[in-house]
Amino acid sequence: AQSVTQLGSHVSVSEGALVLLRCNYSSSVPPYLFWYVQYPNQGLQLLLKYTSAATLVKGINGFEAEFKKSETSFHLTKPSAHMSDAAEYFCAVSDRYGGSQGNLIFGKGTKLSVKP
Amino acid sequence: DGGITQSPKYLFRKEGQNVTLSCEQNLNHDAMYWYRQDPGQGLRLIYYSQIVNDFQKGDIAEGYSVSREKKESFPLTVTSAQKNPTAFYLCASMAGTGANYGYTFGSGTRLTVV
Repeated sequence: AQSVTQLGSHVSVSEGALVLLRCNYSSSVPPYLFWYVQYPNQGLQLLLKYTSAATLVKGINGFEAEFKKSETSFHLTKPSAHMSDAAEYFCAVSDRYGGSQGNLIFGKGTKLSVKP
Repeated sequence: DGGITQSPKYLFRKEGQNVTLSCEQNLNHDAMYWYRQDPGQGLRLIYYSQIVNDFQKGDIAEGYSVSREKKESFPLTVTSAQKNPTAFYLCASMAGTGANYGYTFGSGTRLTVV
C-alpha cells in the first residue's frame, strides 16, 4: 500500500527565509505526487504536481519540488517566505494501481508559520 | 467557470440525526471522492465513485453512505451510526491522464454535532 510521510507537523520560518517542507512516500510503482495548500476553513489548492515528466516541478506562488526516486522524496521549497505563505501544506500520492484506483493518499500535513 | 460546489458551508447536527452533505461538479469528471479532515490527521478517504451508479468504500466508510445517480452529483449522508461526525468534509473529482491528471476540490463543509 502506498503511504506518505510529512516530517514535521509545524514549521516556522522568518519572512524572506528558505521554506523547506519534507515529504517521503512509499510506492511499489512510479507514483503521481502532489502538493496542496490549505487556508483555514477552505478547500485544497494545488501548488504543483509530478506526473512522470520533469523531476523538478515548478508550481504557483514561487514553490517548487524535486522528485527523487532514490530517496523516495518530493520535498517542497520556496527560496523566500512571504507572510501570505502561512497555511497548512499537504503532500499526496495517487494510488493509481491499487484497489482504490485513482485515490489520493495524503500525509498528515505541515503547518507553516511565517514570522515577520 | 467549472468547479465543485459543496453545500452547506457549515452544518450542525443533533445527536441521532442523519444529515446530507451536497457535492456538485460541472467538470464532466467521472471520478468523485469524499474525504474527512480532522486536525493533525490529514485527509482520510470515506467513499469514492469511478462511474455513475457505482461507488466503493474508502478507509473510514462506517457510519456514512453515498449515492451516485448522476455524474454531476455525489451526496454524502452522515448517519446516526457515525459516533464522532464533527469534522471538515471535502469533496473532490478527478480526471485526465499523464500531465493532465488532476484533482479538483470543493471548499468543504464543516459539520458540528450539537
